[in-house]
Amino acid sequence: ELKVEQNPLFLSMQEGKNYTIYCNYSTTSDRLYWYRQDPGKSLESLFVLLSNGAVKQEGRLMASLDTKARLSTLHITAAVHDLSATYFCAVDTRGGSEKLVFGKGTKLTVNP
Amino acid sequence: DVKVTQSSRYLVKRTGEKVFLECVQDMDHENMFWYRQDPGLGLRLIYFSYDVKMKEKGDIPEGYSVSREKKERFSLILESASTNQTSMYLCASSLWGLDADTQYFGPGTRLTVL
Repeated sequence: ELKVEQNPLFLSMQEGKNYTIYCNYSTTSDRLYWYRQDPGKSLESLFVLLSNGAVKQEGRLMASLDTKARLSTLHITAAVHDLSATYFCAVDTRGGSEKLVFGKGTKLTVNP
Repeated sequence: DVKVTQSSRYLVKRTGEKVFLECVQDMDHENMFWYRQDPGLGLRLIYFSYDVKMKEKGDIPEGYSVSREKKERFSLILESASTNQTSMYLCASSLWGLDADTQYFGPGTRLTVL
């Protein structure tokens, strides 16, 4: 059974600081997704990582995938308050955006 | 613009009632999914469908059934609602196979069973 573990589950950081969220998974997969969820809202797709070594960046967020280590990271650079949200990683078990297994999410709070 | 809609944002039902949650997507996606989201447990897949009239159980199908009579519509049915089915329900859709880029989520239905 595929397990997806995120850490930390809660992260409180100050504006301007850098931090990394980790997503480990237990079986082979070449596809990993990151989503953002604002309070009371649905999930919004952030990044899709499709191969080993993939790196994607959008603004202050950068995601990477190491399939050999079964690890993805979401790096936050110079955090701002607007990044406060819950971030989920999800691993594709079938190779086609089917049957994603989600981590429990990392609740990020960025304080002024 | 990609769009997944759900029939209700908030729903309150009584124990034992039959409950229908409806999801519609306008992207001509083959795959559709129903998840429930609970604090501390993340998202868990209830059922998914990869074609009209085709369905497959997810990780927690007990107490639920689904219906997909048309490609754009996927319904989740609680045959006899129970209090432990109080949750946020999220519908999603995606293309089939390796053309899939991501799953697109609806706004969610917060169901309370009294």
